[in-house]
Amino acid sequence: AQSVTQLDSHVSVSEGTPVLLRCNYSSSYSPSLFWYVQHPNKGLQLLLKYTSAATLVKGINGFEAEFKKSETSFHLTKPSAHMSDAAEYFCVVSDRAAGNNRKLIWGLGTSLAVNP
Amino acid sequence: DGGITQSPKYLFRKEGQNVTLSCEQNLNHDAMYWYRQDPGQGLRLIYYSQIVNDFQKGDIAEGYSVSREKKESFPLTVTSAQKNPTAFYLCASSITPDRSQPQHFGDGTRLSIL
Repeated sequence: AQSVTQLDSHVSVSEGTPVLLRCNYSSSYSPSLFWYVQHPNKGLQLLLKYTSAATLVKGINGFEAEFKKSETSFHLTKPSAHMSDAAEYFCVVSDRAAGNNRKLIWGLGTSLAVNP
Repeated sequence: DGGITQSPKYLFRKEGQNVTLSCEQNLNHDAMYWYRQDPGQGLRLIYYSQIVNDFQKGDIAEGYSVSREKKESFPLTVTSAQKNPTAFYLCASSITPDRSQPQHFGDGTRLSIL
């Protein structure tokens, strides 16, 4: 069965320091993986997407994520945090099995705080 | 600019009342989705539509209804049968129903009970 685990519910960093948001998944097939960001009282915005091309995926706003099949991980990183990065981040997995039963599995989210 | 418009931003429901949340997209996307978001939880799928005049139940469809009479519109009705409707509701669309496609989201409607 598919599942997504975001290993930290809250992460706090100082402005200018690196960001690491961790995501592990399980999937029976070659998954598609996504990271979305949600600012308070807003909808979600796609940060980046992995679909079996390059394992290192670059996204918007300086974020990137590395797909590691051996570790079943898809951690999100950014070299230097900015105050505007404070938001909720969601890791999402979608299987690619044939048929009509594909679905998205959402992680519970990681709240990122950025301190001045 | 293309996007998804949800209205209203805030909505209050009285006991026994049905309320309808609007979702309109001008992205020419085939698929549309409704999610419910509660604090500390991920998104849960209520209903989805792969094409006009078609829709399917998601994981938590009880107490909700939808219609898809036009490609650009996918309204959600929260009926009186939904006993715990207080939540943040998000509408999304994707260019095709393929779940490897990214979804585009509106800014949500926050529904509360009076």
